[in-house]
Amino acid sequence: GQSLEQPSEVTAVEGAIVQINCTYQTSGFYGLSWYQQHDGGAPTFLSYNGLDGLEETGRFSSFLSRSDSYGYLLLQELQMKDSASYFCAGSYSGAGSYQLTFGKGTKLSVIP
Amino acid sequence: DTAVSQTPKYLVTQMGNDKSIKCEQNLGHDTMYWYKQDSKKFLKIMFSYNNKELIINETVPNRFSPKSPDKAHLNLHINSLELGDSAVYFCASSQDRRLSRAGANVLTFGAGSRLTVL
Repeated sequence: GQSLEQPSEVTAVEGAIVQINCTYQTSGFYGLSWYQQHDGGAPTFLSYNGLDGLEETGRFSSFLSRSDSYGYLLLQELQMKDSASYFCAGSYSGAGSYQLTFGKGTKLSVIP
Repeated sequence: DTAVSQTPKYLVTQMGNDKSIKCEQNLGHDTMYWYKQDSKKFLKIMFSYNNKELIINETVPNRFSPKSPDKAHLNLHINSLELGDSAVYFCASSQDRRLSRAGANVLTFGAGSRLTVL
């Protein structure tokens, strides 16, 4: 099946840098997305990597290495408002349909 | 002007009842989805519709029946509710269902409907 693995919890200090890793199964894999979800809120799209390498969007960057079946989300200059759950999500093809499969999420706690 | 709106936001009901959750998107997207998020925050796809056609139907009890009257609406009806159905149900939409290495098929989620079965 399609599954993605990521750490369940990460704690980091305000102003620091944190990296959230994600490994995925490769069969039918197209690309890796990242979503942010605050408590009580909806998941919102952060970034996507369809090709190997780094994508940068402000304080957030995301990386993909297909040869290692691995990606990460990098958050710089952490702010308290970054405390949220972060989900990696793999785009998978199969039987003519498209599916976005989510990892179980990483709860990031930013402390002063 | 909400992009993806779902109602109701909260739903508390007794076991055995039947309930519906409605979803509408005004983004002009072709594809809509229902995801279930359990108490451990695991987001699992249930159904996906593309232009009113069912394209993904994961292993979901047949007590769950999606209905898409048009491509802007995807409703979820649940019969004979069970305790294990308690969760947050998210509706989402995306531009289309094609895959691309160059660009993401970005999902826009609704605010969620928290269902509590007593």
